[in-house]
Amino acid sequence: GAGVSQSPSNKVTEKGKDVELRCDPISGHTALYWYRQSLGQGLEFLIYFQGNSAPDKSGLPSDRFSAERTGGSVSTLTIQRTQQEDSAVYLCASTILGGGLLDTQYFGPGTRLTVL
Amino acid sequence: EDQVTQSPEALRLQEGESSSLNCSYTVSGLRGLFWYRQDPGKGPEFLFTLYSAGEEKEKERLKATLTKKESFLHITAPKPEDSATYLCAVQAVVQGAQKLVFGQGTRLTINP
Repeated sequence: GAGVSQSPSNKVTEKGKDVELRCDPISGHTALYWYRQSLGQGLEFLIYFQGNSAPDKSGLPSDRFSAERTGGSVSTLTIQRTQQEDSAVYLCASTILGGGLLDTQYFGPGTRLTVL
Repeated sequence: EDQVTQSPEALRLQEGESSSLNCSYTVSGLRGLFWYRQDPGKGPEFLFTLYSAGEEKEKERLKATLTKKESFLHITAPKPEDSATYLCAVQAVVQGAQKLVFGQGTRLTINP
């Protein structure tokens, strides 16, 4: 079966522009996470969707960041008025969240965002 | 505050030279500890999950162990293809939400 997919794989944009990053989770996975990984850093939690519940946005660094998940599947992370410090790899992960091994998060390949 | 610290930050070994990577953690309500492998330009790849102190998991040349305060990833007779960044994460419940808290990773290089 297909894994988590993300698009685009690379995005170069100019400071001040808006960008949209897409994540297609594994079919049947109810939970979806967005992380940011800056050069040489660990993964930073951004936002979490679980089923029909309100998303946990506690990790979003500013109000320029937003995300939505349509139909409980595909998710889009939007960064408005991009800044150079937004340059990073944005990773998406999905999981069933059924307890035990079902809580394992499976990651996509990431989108490398470069803000010039 | 939930924290995960990995050491060393980077490790260079000769092929066949065994060693261990450390992951120490402080978390309230540990539900699981995860090890991932990340190759350059790729997303993390799941390796192991450990749930309770004393538990061990093995996969090829890797063995993960867990105590109440830390986990070790032992690598036995490594090969160059084992070169990667190894990430440790703890699963915690924060305000009702299940989250993974990641360490900074250990960048492992195996020289032929």
